[in-house]
Amino acid sequence: DTEVTQTPKHLVMGMTNKKSLKCEQHMGHRAMYWYKQKAKKPPELMFVYSYEKLSINESVPSRFSPECPNSSLLNLHLHALQPEDSALYLCASSQEGGYEQFFGPGTRLTVL
Amino acid sequence: AQSVSQHNHHVILSEAASLELGCNYSYGGTVNLFWYVQYPGQHLQLLLKYFSGDPLVKGIKGFEAEFIKSKFSFNLRKPSVQWSDTAEYFCAARSGTYKYIFGTGTRLKVLA
Repeated sequence: DTEVTQTPKHLVMGMTNKKSLKCEQHMGHRAMYWYKQKAKKPPELMFVYSYEKLSINESVPSRFSPECPNSSLLNLHLHALQPEDSALYLCASSQEGGYEQFFGPGTRLTVL
Repeated sequence: AQSVSQHNHHVILSEAASLELGCNYSYGGTVNLFWYVQYPGQHLQLLLKYFSGDPLVKGIKGFEAEFIKSKFSFNLRKPSVQWSDTAEYFCAARSGTYKYIFGTGTRLKVLA
């Protein structure tokens, strides 16, 4: 299984809502990533978990809260988002740091 | 600063034409380089990667790339493109243990 799955595929939320994005991989990868991708732009790294510990936080606002419950799962909790946070949120995993990343299909988030 | 540059933002080719997309990187550490493709409506997929060894690497779907250390380049090539190669292509480089930098992408359109 070389797949990274993400749910939901689409999410529309108001600025006062709380929602979560989920990501799952069963490749035994020890690094998992959250990226944000705006239209016609490259992915921008948000967070990295390695061995279930937060390794990198790219100065992401606290309205985004990552969580890694176990080695296969990665969540991104969203609260009090702004319209400019609307984007495609991508999850990825890699065997270790520096190796190729496997990307999920993303969650397209719209904040009203 | 570490960066990845893709000089061609939009490329339009006719089927059977040859393709070369430029990528230059700046990073003084261990060089891990990648080309990813994003077909319309699909997730990012790895085309090929370079870690070490033979600087000419072959990937999926007939793509290849050449690592030229002296030029800090990792250009993507395909001898004969097909309509199905229409997609966005991202060059990426490892920039630290768990960090990857993506280029701005090249949108390729192949005319049937």
